[in-house]
Amino acid sequence: DTAVSQTPKYLVTQMGNDKSIKCEQNLGHDTMYWYKQDSKKFLKIMFSYNNKELIINETVPNRFSPKSPDKAHLNLHINSLELGDSAVYFCASSQGSGGATDTQYFGPGTRLTVL
Amino acid sequence: AQSVSQHNHHVILSEAASLELGCNYSYGGTVNLFWYVQYPGQHLQLLLKYFSGDPLVKGIKGFEAEFIKSKFSFNLRKPSVQWSDTAEYFCAVAGSGTYKYIFGTGTRLKVLA
Repeated sequence: DTAVSQTPKYLVTQMGNDKSIKCEQNLGHDTMYWYKQDSKKFLKIMFSYNNKELIINETVPNRFSPKSPDKAHLNLHINSLELGDSAVYFCASSQGSGGATDTQYFGPGTRLTVL
Repeated sequence: AQSVSQHNHHVILSEAASLELGCNYSYGGTVNLFWYVQYPGQHLQLLLKYFSGDPLVKGIKGFEAEFIKSKFSFNLRKPSVQWSDTAEYFCAVAGSGTYKYIFGTGTRLKVLA
């Protein structure tokens, strides 16, 4: 009964490729997020969707495109992968509209390695 | 702009020792504060949170944290750690009226049996 799941768990790919990471939550939450955790463990918000609408879009390259087909799913597509994209990507969800008091529930992470 | 500092990057303790992990933040307004923990091979999960009221908050597994507004701090404490507390601990801040958490860089705690 995994609450927030991500696939794949590990992703190894060549520079220049396009890849997607999928996220699903079965908590009935309205808001979903993508975070990037770099090699120094710094966890930084990338995107947030509330009921399929984008509410946070941090300064990330436009090679990164989130897609939310419904409020239970938020996928992350990355075009033309670069070495610097290597990181662990975490998906999260929260009950409310994404406000500052919402507790966020995290997925297990996807470790992306770009060669 | 919001920012969070966790000054202890690695902490090693023996079982039964007391723990205090520092968290300082920078934000001009009202904040909501969180501590998350990531056990080896597991998800990030919430330990405790502070929104308002009593500045001493208690969380799961015997952890507590104290919000000191004048010091912009939200330190995590546990009187007696166990081997099972070995994990990475993240402090996070969300400014009221914003839609995002700002995380610290984490503190890796290792408890020796």
